[in-house]
Formats: sequence, structure tokens, C-alpha cells
Amino acid sequence: EAQVTQNPRYLITVTGKKLTVTCSQNMNHEYMSWYRQDPGLGLRQIYYSMNVEVTDKGDVPEGYKVSRKEKRNFPLILESPSPNQTSLYFCASSFRVEYGYTFGSGTRLTVV
Amino acid sequence: GENVEQHPSTLSVQEGDSAVIKCTYSDSASNYFPWYKQELGKGPQLIIDIRSNVGEKKDQRIAVTLNKTAKHFSLHITETQPEDSAVYFCAAMNYGGSQGNLIFGKGTKLSVKP
Repeated sequence: EAQVTQNPRYLITVTGKKLTVTCSQNMNHEYMSWYRQDPGLGLRQIYYSMNVEVTDKGDVPEGYKVSRKEKRNFPLILESPSPNQTSLYFCASSFRVEYGYTFGSGTRLTVV
Repeated sequence: GENVEQHPSTLSVQEGDSAVIKCTYSDSASNYFPWYKQELGKGPQLIIDIRSNVGEKKDQRIAVTLNKTAKHFSLHITETQPEDSAVYFCAAMNYGGSQGNLIFGKGTKLSVKP
């Protein structure tokens, strides 16, 4: 089944403890992206990647890192999480962005 | 940068009625306009999209219209059913320039009452 898989689905952590949210797609897509979703703010792009080793900032990149060492994987790294990063995170991928993104099921992160 | 405004934020209709959600965008270079449906506990799912060289596109009960001059586009759902209840997001992008930066509206929560 073609899909974008994120892990974990739920995560509660403490301020300052480094964490990684994994994202993997099995569709051989070149484009991958991370979004965060907050009430009243909709979906905002954190980082995106056009291909292996090619990444760029979205609209809200502060406090996040990404890497794209393999085509299928695009992990989101929070080096020192803070409570304002409590949010619902979505990974997405696309063969070509003008054909639309396929989204994962989301990761609900709580930073206390 | 691009800014997308979406209205209304909530919409309640009776089953069988039509629903219309409207979006405006600011960047005249935007040329790709998808619509996503998000059900509770799930990720957004692409339901229809339109490119700037097309004025209207239909897929069964769903249609999207685009007015490039006015920089607005709309989602039309006819003969609504309870399973249409969800949050709908519009988005805009210049796929030739933004390299994948899809800008979303804030969403419309659609409730279809049986």
C-alpha cells in the first residue's frame, strides 16, 4: 500500500530533551515536507526537500532540523524542544509538487 | 510571500444541500491550487486541484473554480452527505518558483446534518 509513515503517533517529552520524529514513504517520491498544525493557524510548512541532500526552510523552521540522506526517509529533529513546539506534525511526500502531497497520519507532540 | 485567506471558518448545511468554501490568494505567480479534506484523527487528503490554465474542474459532486483576475478560487460540493463532514483546506503554490512550499488557508469545518 502506498503510504507515508510517521513515528511515533503520540509523544510527550520534557523541555530540552532532543527528539526525532521519523517519516518514511514507499512511493519513490522526490519531494518531502514537514508541516505543523495548530488550532486557528492551519498548516504551516517547517522544511521541505526536493531530493536527497537537498533541503530548504519553509515558513516556520526555527527550532527544527531535517536531513534527507535517503530518498524514502525525511526525519524531523528537535534539538532542544520547547513548549511552543507542542503541536500536531505531518510529513508529506509528492512525486511532483504540482500533483499534490500525500500526508502521513500525524504525530501529536507535547512538550512539558 | 504568498498568503491564503479562507472563508467561512465553519459551515453547517443540511444533507442534500450544496456547500461553498472560498479562498483568496495574494501572489499572482501562484499557479497550483489544491483542496484537502481532513477527517478527525487523520492527515489531510487531496480531493481535487486546479492549475492556473484552467477555470473550472469537476469530479463527481465536487468542483473547483478559479478566477485568476480576482485571485480567488472556490470549492463547491453538491448533494452533501454526512460523510462530507470534515475540515477542508485550500492551498496555493507557484510550483515553478517555490519549490514545494504549499501555503494553506486556515481551514473550514463543514458539518452536514442528516
